[in-house]
Amino acid sequence: KAGVTQTPRYLIKTRGQQVTLSCSPISGHRSVSWYQQTPGQGLQFLFEYFSETQRNKGNFPGRFSGRQFSNSRSEMNVSTLELGDSALYLCASSLVGVSGELFFGEGSRLTVL
Amino acid sequence: DQQVKQNSPSLSVQEGRISILNCDYTNSMFDYFLWYKKYPAEGPTFLISISSIKDKNEDGRFTVFLNKSAKHLSLHIVPSQPGDSAVYFCAARAGGTSYGKLTFGQGTILTVHP
Repeated sequence: KAGVTQTPRYLIKTRGQQVTLSCSPISGHRSVSWYQQTPGQGLQFLFEYFSETQRNKGNFPGRFSGRQFSNSRSEMNVSTLELGDSALYLCASSLVGVSGELFFGEGSRLTVL
Repeated sequence: DQQVKQNSPSLSVQEGRISILNCDYTNSMFDYFLWYKKYPAEGPTFLISISSIKDKNEDGRFTVFLNKSAKHLSLHIVPSQPGDSAVYFCAARAGGTSYGKLTFGQGTILTVHP
């Protein structure tokens, strides 16, 4: 059974640009969450999507947005990139109502220059 | 406001001995707790979880203990193996919130020496 797949794995952008990251959840998982990991702040919750609807949002500025498609695949977008957006962005999927754990992908490493 | 705290940034243990990783929380609404292991350049991997209605959960070499009155949980690894060397994260979910929202601690780097 394939795990959570994130693309791209690595990318470099410059300040002011925007970026789109993609996540394919485990087959059958309808909930997708996004997290940002930085050395200073640790793992921070960005948002969660279920059945194409945002169910929860973390404390991040409006430059961070996301969406989910009918096949449960999800994308997140960061506009007007800042140096502080350099981080590992992790996607996780879960089988809502069956168990409590999230299954994480390997992440997308974003570097903003 | 750090609601989940792992006060030990690192822990070093000899192979075969017990590793004990600790986690404290402040939010009384947390009712489900999880431990994840993370290797460099990989995503976190789920280890074990515990609901607030229990005080202990075991899975092979891993046991999690929950002390609700002290708002404290711990992960015991017995016996420790060199392959257990990784960063361990404690995470918590508040009752009534969606499944995908976890609050993580800062992590503890475990090093198991052969």
